[in-house]
Amino acid sequence: GQNIDQPTEMTATEGAIVQINCTYQTSGFNGLFWYQQHAGEAPTFLSYNVLDGLEEKGRFSSFLSRSKGYSYLLLKELQMKDSASYLCAVSHLLMNSGYSTLTFGKGTMLLVSP
Amino acid sequence: DTAVSQTPKYLVTQMGNDKSIKCEQNLGHDTMYWYKQDSKKFLKIMFSYNNKELIINETVPNRFSPKSPDKAHLNLHINSLELGDSAVYFCASSQDLRRIDAGELFFGEGSRLTVL
Repeated sequence: GQNIDQPTEMTATEGAIVQINCTYQTSGFNGLFWYQQHAGEAPTFLSYNVLDGLEEKGRFSSFLSRSKGYSYLLLKELQMKDSASYLCAVSHLLMNSGYSTLTFGKGTMLLVSP
Repeated sequence: DTAVSQTPKYLVTQMGNDKSIKCEQNLGHDTMYWYKQDSKKFLKIMFSYNNKELIINETVPNRFSPKSPDKAHLNLHINSLELGDSAVYFCASSQDLRRIDAGELFFGEGSRLTVL
């Protein structure tokens, strides 16, 4: 099966930098995704890592180490609107098929205060 | 134009009733999903269809029956609703599940189901 761990909650101050960690155990690893979900809204795609290293996209960066089963999402210059739940999700191959599926972690609720 | 649209947005019903949620995507994607998000905000896959073919059917009670008339539509019918079915149900779509980047999902706005 798949096991994905991320902190339940984090708090940070506007303008600061925060790092949200995610560790996972899976077979047939296909990639790691981060999603953002504001309260009462649908999740939206943030980033995708399939190779080791850092992917930067504006204020958000995501890092992956496949050997360690570890990823983090780095948010810089935090803004109040970044208060949301951040979901780590692992893509993995379904057994005996050419299909993959996405399993979500339980999400990290980030609260940004003034 | 909404990419993934689902209706209704809110459903309040009594235990034992049957209800349906409809979903449509205009992104030309091959794969559609139903996810359930419970009160603890855990997002769990229920079903996925790839070109109208059922690919994933997680341990979901038989009372839940998905139907995909074509690859742009995936509906969810729920029989004999129970209190524990109260949740937000999200429809989503993506590229073909055989693609490595198929994990980029586009979600609908969600349908909040409350069973009384």
